[in-house]
Amino acid sequence: EIVLTQSPGTLSLSPGERATLSCRASQSFSSSYLAWYQQKRGQAPRLLIYGSSSRATGIPDRFSGSGSGTDFTLTISRLEPEDFAVYYCQYYGRSPFTFGPGTKVDIK
Amino acid sequence: EVQLLESGGGLVQPGGSLRLSCAASGLTFSTYAMNWVRQAPGKGLEWVSGISGSGAITFFADSVKGRFTISRDNSKSTLYLQMNSLRAEDTAVYYCAKAVLDFFGVVKIDYYYMDVWGTGTTVTVSS
Repeated sequence: EIVLTQSPGTLSLSPGERATLSCRASQSFSSSYLAWYQQKRGQAPRLLIYGSSSRATGIPDRFSGSGSGTDFTLTISRLEPEDFAVYYCQYYGRSPFTFGPGTKVDIK
Repeated sequence: EVQLLESGGGLVQPGGSLRLSCAASGLTFSTYAMNWVRQAPGKGLEWVSGISGSGAITFFADSVKGRFTISRDNSKSTLYLQMNSLRAEDTAVYYCAKAVLDFFGVVKIDYYYMDVWGTGTTVTVSS
């Protein structure tokens, strides 16, 4: 089973700043199998990125994903007020399709 | 527009059973694999189970293997999660989520990431 670790647990930033979120895997896998989600309080998650770097439909280009092997990154180039939320990475190459524990991005 | 609507949650005693349903609309349901994902109060997301479009292939997290069963009725565009031997740690919001289909040439491939989610149904296991 691949275990995902996300860091930091909480990221305190101001609107307009750049956010860099990390997702590290317990073993290497193809970058084709990494997704990122955003979840706001009281809402279902929303798909942001799949295949490590492809944006889902309707996702603004301030969101970008990168990485390979065991290290993956979600970058939000300039934080908008609506971007303050919790972000999860997910591995989906082979069952179990595990999630990371999440990174909370909150307002500084 | 694809929509997923979960139902069947509620309060159940430890050791009890519950069946969740997820009614899908706006898609050819049988084409797509589906997932159940849960979120315990104040916690992160946990993938629970997945099923192929035909229902022939199923996957489970170790935490529910042997206790939960996933199934689907493609004629009713409905996904199910049968939960038996429930424990306090199964208390969570349960989300139904659609997986993604792609093709490699003529070969159909299911990718178990989730591009559409329901709003969730709450399961509470308590005496």
